[in-house]
Amino acid sequence: QVQLVQSGAEVKKPGSSMVVSCKASGGTFSSFVISWMRQAPGQGLEWMGGIIPLLGRANYAQKFQGRVTITTDESTSTAYMELRSMRSEDTAVYYCATAATGGWYFDYWGQGTLVTVSS
Amino acid sequence: DIVMTQSPDSLAVSLGERATINCKSSQSVLYSSNNKNSLAWYQQKPGQPPKLLIYWASTRESGVPDRFSGSGSGTDFTLTITSLKAEDVAVYFCQQYYNTPYTFGQGTKLEIK
Repeated sequence: QVQLVQSGAEVKKPGSSMVVSCKASGGTFSSFVISWMRQAPGQGLEWMGGIIPLLGRANYAQKFQGRVTITTDESTSTAYMELRSMRSEDTAVYYCATAATGGWYFDYWGQGTLVTVSS
Repeated sequence: DIVMTQSPDSLAVSLGERATINCKSSQSVLYSSNNKNSLAWYQQKPGQPPKLLIYWASTRESGVPDRFSGSGSGTDFTLTITSLKAEDVAVYFCQQYYNTPYTFGQGTKLEIK
């Protein structure tokens, strides 16, 4: 059973950067396809980007291009999502999730990380 | 981007009855290469991450009760929950994975009448 454990809640200032981590267990990390989504308070889900650790290649939603970077560290089975130049609209719960083999639907999810952007 | 529109926004159904949630995509999500629809359904309870229920429009994820079923093709999809239980109270989302950016519907809140 795959488990994804994310880092804890954060409060950030506008203009700053954040890094959320997602540690995986229960599977072969290099075979995972990991995506990051976010959910603003009371809102729906938004896909930010994903990465295939085996290939080391990430792709991002156009909306976040230039502001987000997704990386992985195979030695610790951890994925990271960095978001820069944060603004109040980035206040949300951020989720990592694994995409199933053969399709980008998300079968395992982290518990979520609440990030609040406030001056 | 493919826009996913769910209806209704909220729904109240009596215990033991059927709940039907609709999802419409702004373009077809049918892969011609495998003749499968790139559409998934999730359930989200308060304070929890989403849980995958259905993928490829009609394939039930392992461990999901068979009272949950998905149907539809092309641009119109339905999630049906038969014999509603109290534990089914949640928000339900559809998601297309036909192309990036992968997009979700706005959610349908299911309550007990």
